[in-house]
Amino acid sequence: AQKITQTQPGMFVQEKEAVTLDCTYDTSDPSYGLFWYKQPSSGEMIFLIYQGSYDQQNATEGRYSLNFQKARKSANLVISASQLGDSAMYFCAMRDQGAQKLVFGQGTRLTINP
Amino acid sequence: DVKVTQSSRYLVKRTGEKVFLECVQDMDHENMFWYRQDPGLGLRLIYFSYDVKMKEKGDIPEGYSVSREKKERFSLILESASTNQTSMYLCASRPANQGAYGYTFGSGTRLTVV
Repeated sequence: AQKITQTQPGMFVQEKEAVTLDCTYDTSDPSYGLFWYKQPSSGEMIFLIYQGSYDQQNATEGRYSLNFQKARKSANLVISASQLGDSAMYFCAMRDQGAQKLVFGQGTRLTINP
Repeated sequence: DVKVTQSSRYLVKRTGEKVFLECVQDMDHENMFWYRQDPGLGLRLIYFSYDVKMKEKGDIPEGYSVSREKKERFSLILESASTNQTSMYLCASRPANQGAYGYTFGSGTRLTVV
């Protein structure tokens, strides 16, 4: 069965610093996708970045990058030059190939201090 | 702009009431999902639907049912609300065979059962 683990319930970071949010996963399917979502206090889930299990390079989207270490089954999100607007809940999720549902981790609440 | 709309942002219901949570998408997506979000547990899938009148149980279906009579609308039903169903409920939709991407979430309904 698929499983996603986020071990950091809360993170506090100074503005402009880089931050790494941890995510480990488990699946028996060799083909899968990994996602990161941001959830501000308003409640909507905002898609940030995606990594496919066969992608050779780590995914990047602006200030977001995904540190994908397949052998260790980890998919950490790195936010460079953090901003006050980055304060939110962050969720790691995965989907096995051929499956429709996303499986989510517990989430990490990130707070950016001025 | 594509949208998933959940009819209520906040809802307060009494124990034992029958509760309907409504979700409507305007993107002609085949797949629709209901998740429940609780602190420390992340998002857990309740039910999903891959076509009109088709449904599958997710990870925590007990105490819930769903209805999908039209492609654009997916309803979550609490047959007899209980206090342990107090939670944030998120609806999502996705086109079939979209590949990696395509999940769109609503803003959530925060349900309190008293």
